[in-house]
Amino acid sequence: DAKTTQPPSMDCAEGRAANLPCNHSTISGNEYVYWYRQIHSQGPQYIIHGLKNNETNEMASLIITEDRKSSTLILPHATLRDTAVYYCIVRASNSGYSTLTFGKGTMLLVSP
Amino acid sequence: EPEVTQTPSHQVTQMGQEVILRCVPISNHLYFYWYRQILGQKVEFLVSFYNNEISEKSEIFDDQFSVERPDGSNFTLKIRSTKLEDSAMYFCASRGGPYGYTFGSGTRLTVV
Repeated sequence: DAKTTQPPSMDCAEGRAANLPCNHSTISGNEYVYWYRQIHSQGPQYIIHGLKNNETNEMASLIITEDRKSSTLILPHATLRDTAVYYCIVRASNSGYSTLTFGKGTMLLVSP
Repeated sequence: EPEVTQTPSHQVTQMGQEVILRCVPISNHLYFYWYRQILGQKVEFLVSFYNNEISEKSEIFDDQFSVERPDGSNFTLKIRSTKLEDSAMYFCASRGGPYGYTFGSGTRLTVV
């Protein structure tokens, strides 16, 4: 699976949009971009994933650049409960049983 | 929303003792995983399980560890002869299709 690079930490004011970047310059054609988050000491939680088109669900939006070498997770109206470590993971969809590999992620702190 | 359930939430054991961590995956999922997270460190993959056998394991998953799906609903991780360095959060996860994993809330194992 391709390697990803994320900033170690970010701050965001409550109610504002949080934009979390991820670089994955070695991504290959069959690899998806996944985002998970981990709220303190809880199990990781799936947020969203995408291949090349932008995606939106009830939690977030995912913007993938045209060359697919980077992406941005957007939390449109961050709340205090969104304070967590956010992981960007690249993985082939046809990996069958293959595992997710977590990096260090981005610690997002949402402040009042 | 379906959940992955883990018990116990906290387990304290003496060094050298055996522990069994229990998980009930989502009922129609076919792929099962164990991960661990030592305090302050990354979430690390231990083992994946599919079709009643181990499909992939990490270097961490040595002969001290074993997994079992004894009755079609539970998925267990056994750690024989626990060591101090086995102290960690252990997360179970399951997956039904090629995309999102669902993680449990974890078992905090403390070896004293």
